[in-house]
Amino acid sequence: EPEVTQTPSHQVTQMGQEVILRCVPISNHLYFYWYRQILGQKVEFLVSFYNNEISEKSEIFDDQFSVERPDGSNFTLKIRSTKLEDSAMYFCASRDSGGANIQYFGAGTRLSVL
Amino acid sequence: AQSVTQLGSHVSVSEGALVLLRCNYSSSVPPYLFWYVQYPNQGLQLLLKYTSAATLVKGINGFEAEFKKSETSFHLTKPSAHMSDAAEYFCAVYNTDKLIFGTGTRLQVFP
Repeated sequence: EPEVTQTPSHQVTQMGQEVILRCVPISNHLYFYWYRQILGQKVEFLVSFYNNEISEKSEIFDDQFSVERPDGSNFTLKIRSTKLEDSAMYFCASRDSGGANIQYFGAGTRLSVL
Repeated sequence: AQSVTQLGSHVSVSEGALVLLRCNYSSSVPPYLFWYVQYPNQGLQLLLKYTSAATLVKGINGFEAEFKKSETSFHLTKPSAHMSDAAEYFCAVYNTDKLIFGTGTRLQVFP
Protein backbone atom coordinates (compact mmCIF):
# COMPACT_ATOMS: atom_id res chain seq x y z
CA GLU A 1 0.00 0.00 0.00
CA PRO A 2 1.36 3.46 -0.88
CA GLU A 3 2.53 5.48 2.09
CA VAL A 4 3.85 8.87 3.04
CA THR A 5 7.54 8.74 3.94
CA GLN A 6 9.27 11.19 6.27
CA THR A 7 12.95 11.65 6.96
CA PRO A 8 14.70 11.80 9.29
CA SER A 9 12.75 10.05 12.02
CA HIS A 10 14.57 12.08 14.66
CA GLN A 11 16.42 15.36 14.22
CA VAL A 12 18.43 17.03 16.96
CA THR A 13 19.54 20.60 16.45
CA GLN A 14 20.89 23.58 18.35
CA MET A 15 18.71 26.60 18.95
CA GLY A 16 19.10 29.10 16.12
CA GLN A 17 20.03 26.51 13.53
CA GLU A 18 18.07 25.86 10.36
CA VAL A 19 16.40 22.49 9.84
CA ILE A 20 14.71 20.92 6.86
CA LEU A 21 12.21 18.16 7.37
CA ARG A 22 11.54 16.02 4.35
CA CYS A 23 8.48 14.21 3.13
CA VAL A 24 7.67 12.08 0.13
CA PRO A 25 3.88 12.15 -0.33
CA ILE A 26 1.91 9.41 -2.05
CA SER A 27 2.74 9.68 -5.73
CA ASN A 28 -0.64 10.63 -7.25
CA HIS A 29 -1.63 13.00 -4.46
CA LEU A 30 -1.92 16.71 -5.12
CA TYR A 31 -2.62 18.20 -1.69
CA PHE A 32 0.05 18.31 0.99
CA TYR A 33 0.06 19.26 4.65
CA TRP A 34 2.26 19.70 7.68
CA TYR A 35 1.02 19.23 11.23
CA ARG A 36 2.89 19.21 14.50
CA GLN A 37 2.36 17.71 17.92
CA ILE A 38 4.14 19.15 20.91
CA LEU A 39 4.66 16.47 23.54
CA GLY A 40 1.49 15.94 25.51
CA GLN A 41 -0.58 18.26 23.32
CA LYS A 42 -2.94 17.83 20.41
CA VAL A 43 -1.96 17.52 16.77
CA GLU A 44 -2.08 21.01 15.23
CA PHE A 45 -2.37 22.10 11.61
CA LEU A 46 0.52 24.15 10.28
CA VAL A 47 0.08 24.56 6.53
CA SER A 48 -1.57 23.18 3.43
CA PHE A 49 -0.06 23.29 -0.06
CA TYR A 50 -1.55 22.80 -3.49
CA ASN A 51 -0.45 23.64 -7.00
CA ASN A 52 2.93 24.88 -5.78
CA GLU A 53 1.58 27.40 -3.36
CA ILE A 54 0.34 27.63 0.18
CA SER A 55 -3.43 27.21 0.43
CA GLU A 56 -3.79 27.96 4.11
CA LYS A 57 -1.51 28.43 7.09
CA SER A 58 -2.11 28.63 10.79
CA GLU A 59 -0.95 31.35 13.13
CA ILE A 60 1.85 29.00 14.21
CA PHE A 61 3.29 29.12 10.69
CA ASP A 62 5.15 32.39 10.98
CA ASP A 63 8.02 33.81 8.92
CA GLN A 64 10.44 31.27 10.39
CA PHE A 65 8.63 28.50 8.54
CA SER A 66 8.54 27.78 4.83
CA VAL A 67 7.46 24.89 2.63
CA GLU A 68 8.64 23.84 -0.76
CA ARG A 69 8.09 21.16 -3.32
CA PRO A 70 11.54 21.20 -4.90
CA ASP A 71 10.83 18.40 -7.35
CA GLY A 72 8.05 16.05 -8.34
CA SER A 73 8.32 13.87 -5.27
CA ASN A 74 9.55 15.76 -2.21
CA PHE A 75 7.73 18.19 0.06
CA THR A 76 9.84 19.97 2.65
CA LEU A 77 9.30 22.04 5.77
CA LYS A 78 12.09 24.46 6.67
CA ILE A 79 12.49 26.18 9.99
CA ARG A 80 15.03 28.98 9.55
CA SER A 81 16.10 29.66 13.12
CA THR A 82 14.85 27.03 15.50
CA LYS A 83 13.59 27.86 18.97
CA LEU A 84 13.26 25.60 21.97
CA GLU A 85 9.49 25.68 21.55
CA ASP A 86 9.77 24.22 18.05
CA SER A 87 10.57 20.87 19.64
CA ALA A 88 7.74 18.61 18.54
CA MET A 89 6.72 15.73 16.32
CA TYR A 90 6.11 16.99 12.80
CA PHE A 91 3.74 15.05 10.56
CA CYS A 92 3.43 15.30 6.82
CA ALA A 93 0.16 14.29 5.12
CA SER A 94 -1.16 14.12 1.61
CA ARG A 95 -4.44 13.44 -0.14
CA ASP A 96 -5.74 13.02 -3.64
CA SER A 97 -8.34 15.17 -5.34
CA GLY A 98 -11.25 12.82 -4.56
CA GLY A 99 -14.19 13.92 -2.50
CA ALA A 100 -13.48 11.76 0.52
CA ASN A 101 -10.92 14.27 1.83
CA ILE A 102 -8.87 11.54 3.45
CA GLN A 103 -5.43 12.65 4.51
CA TYR A 104 -2.71 10.01 4.75
CA PHE A 105 0.00 10.64 7.31
CA GLY A 106 3.66 9.81 7.55
CA ALA A 107 5.31 8.40 10.68
CA GLY A 108 6.58 11.82 11.67
CA THR A 109 9.89 13.48 12.42
CA ARG A 110 10.71 14.15 16.03
CA LEU A 111 12.53 17.48 16.24
CA SER A 112 14.52 18.18 19.38
CA VAL A 113 15.89 21.70 19.77
CA LEU A 114 18.59 22.02 22.42
CA ALA B 1 -15.36 27.31 14.64
CA GLN B 2 -15.31 23.57 14.39
CA SER B 3 -13.70 21.52 17.13
CA VAL B 4 -13.68 18.11 18.75
CA THR B 5 -13.40 17.13 22.38
CA GLN B 6 -12.17 13.76 23.52
CA LEU B 7 -13.21 12.82 27.03
CA GLY B 8 -10.62 10.80 28.87
CA SER B 9 -6.95 11.04 28.03
CA HIS B 10 -6.43 7.44 29.18
CA VAL B 11 -8.73 4.44 28.95
CA SER B 12 -7.83 1.02 30.29
CA VAL B 13 -9.73 -2.17 29.47
CA SER B 14 -9.19 -5.87 29.85
CA GLU B 15 -8.63 -8.01 26.81
CA GLY B 16 -12.03 -9.06 25.48
CA ALA B 17 -13.88 -6.14 27.07
CA LEU B 18 -15.81 -3.45 25.26
CA VAL B 19 -13.83 -0.44 24.08
CA LEU B 20 -15.55 2.95 24.16
CA LEU B 21 -13.62 6.09 23.27
CA ARG B 22 -15.62 9.30 23.41
CA CYS B 23 -15.61 12.19 20.97
CA ASN B 24 -17.93 15.17 20.84
CA TYR B 25 -17.83 17.70 18.06
CA SER B 26 -18.82 21.29 17.59
CA SER B 27 -19.75 22.37 14.10
CA SER B 28 -22.11 24.84 12.50
CA VAL B 29 -22.32 22.75 9.34
CA PRO B 30 -22.70 19.00 8.79
CA PRO B 31 -19.28 17.73 9.76
CA TYR B 32 -16.89 15.28 8.21
CA LEU B 33 -15.50 13.30 11.15
CA PHE B 34 -12.55 10.95 11.38
CA TRP B 35 -10.90 8.60 13.83
CA TYR B 36 -7.17 8.03 13.48
CA VAL B 37 -4.97 5.62 15.43
CA GLN B 38 -1.30 6.01 16.23
CA TYR B 39 0.65 2.91 17.20
CA PRO B 40 3.98 3.43 18.96
CA ASN B 41 6.60 4.97 16.69
CA GLN B 42 4.22 5.07 13.74
CA GLY B 43 2.21 7.69 11.90
CA LEU B 44 -1.49 8.43 12.10
CA GLN B 45 -3.54 5.70 10.42
CA LEU B 46 -7.15 6.24 9.39
CA LEU B 47 -9.57 3.99 11.28
CA LEU B 48 -12.82 5.27 9.84
CA LYS B 49 -14.61 8.34 8.55
CA TYR B 50 -18.10 9.84 8.59
CA THR B 51 -19.09 11.87 5.55
CA SER B 52 -22.87 12.25 5.99
CA ALA B 53 -23.84 8.86 4.57
CA ALA B 54 -24.71 6.07 7.03
CA THR B 55 -24.62 7.16 10.66
CA LEU B 56 -22.99 3.89 11.76
CA VAL B 57 -19.56 3.70 10.24
CA LYS B 58 -17.45 0.57 10.22
CA GLY B 59 -13.70 0.84 10.12
CA ILE B 60 -10.66 -1.34 10.19
CA ASN B 61 -9.69 -3.79 12.94
CA GLY B 62 -13.29 -4.26 14.11
CA PHE B 63 -13.84 -0.65 15.17
CA GLU B 64 -16.99 1.29 14.44
CA ALA B 65 -18.41 4.69 15.31
CA GLU B 66 -21.89 6.12 15.37
CA PHE B 67 -22.69 9.68 14.39
CA LYS B 68 -25.38 11.09 16.68
CA LYS B 69 -26.40 14.58 15.67
CA SER B 70 -28.67 15.04 18.69
CA GLU B 71 -25.76 14.38 21.02
CA THR B 72 -23.08 15.92 18.75
CA SER B 73 -21.10 12.74 19.34
CA PHE B 74 -18.99 10.35 17.30
CA HIS B 75 -17.87 7.74 19.82
CA LEU B 76 -15.57 4.91 18.78
CA THR B 77 -16.37 1.38 19.90
CA LYS B 78 -15.09 -2.15 19.56
CA PRO B 79 -16.97 -5.08 21.10
CA SER B 80 -13.90 -7.00 22.23
CA ALA B 81 -10.51 -5.45 22.88
CA HIS B 82 -7.33 -7.11 21.74
CA MET B 83 -3.86 -6.52 23.07
CA SER B 84 -2.87 -5.14 19.66
CA ASP B 85 -5.41 -2.32 20.05
CA ALA B 86 -3.18 -0.56 22.55
CA ALA B 87 -2.43 2.79 20.92
CA GLU B 88 -3.37 6.46 20.89
CA TYR B 89 -6.65 7.33 19.22
CA PHE B 90 -7.48 10.72 17.77
CA CYS B 91 -10.84 12.10 16.74
CA ALA B 92 -10.76 14.84 14.10
CA VAL B 93 -13.15 17.10 12.22
CA TYR B 94 -12.51 18.31 8.70
CA ASN B 95 -12.55 22.09 8.33
CA THR B 96 -11.78 23.86 5.03
CA ASP B 97 -9.16 21.34 3.95
CA LYS B 98 -7.48 20.81 7.27
CA LEU B 99 -8.08 18.46 10.15
CA ILE B 100 -8.84 19.73 13.62
CA PHE B 101 -7.78 17.08 16.11
CA GLY B 102 -8.84 16.25 19.61
CA THR B 103 -6.29 15.79 22.35
CA GLY B 104 -6.19 12.03 21.91
CA THR B 105 -7.02 9.04 24.11
CA ARG B 106 -4.42 6.48 25.02
CA LEU B 107 -5.93 3.00 25.15
CA GLN B 108 -4.30 0.40 27.36
CA VAL B 109 -5.36 -3.23 27.13
CA PHE B 110 -4.58 -5.57 30.02
CA PRO B 111 -4.46 -9.36 29.70
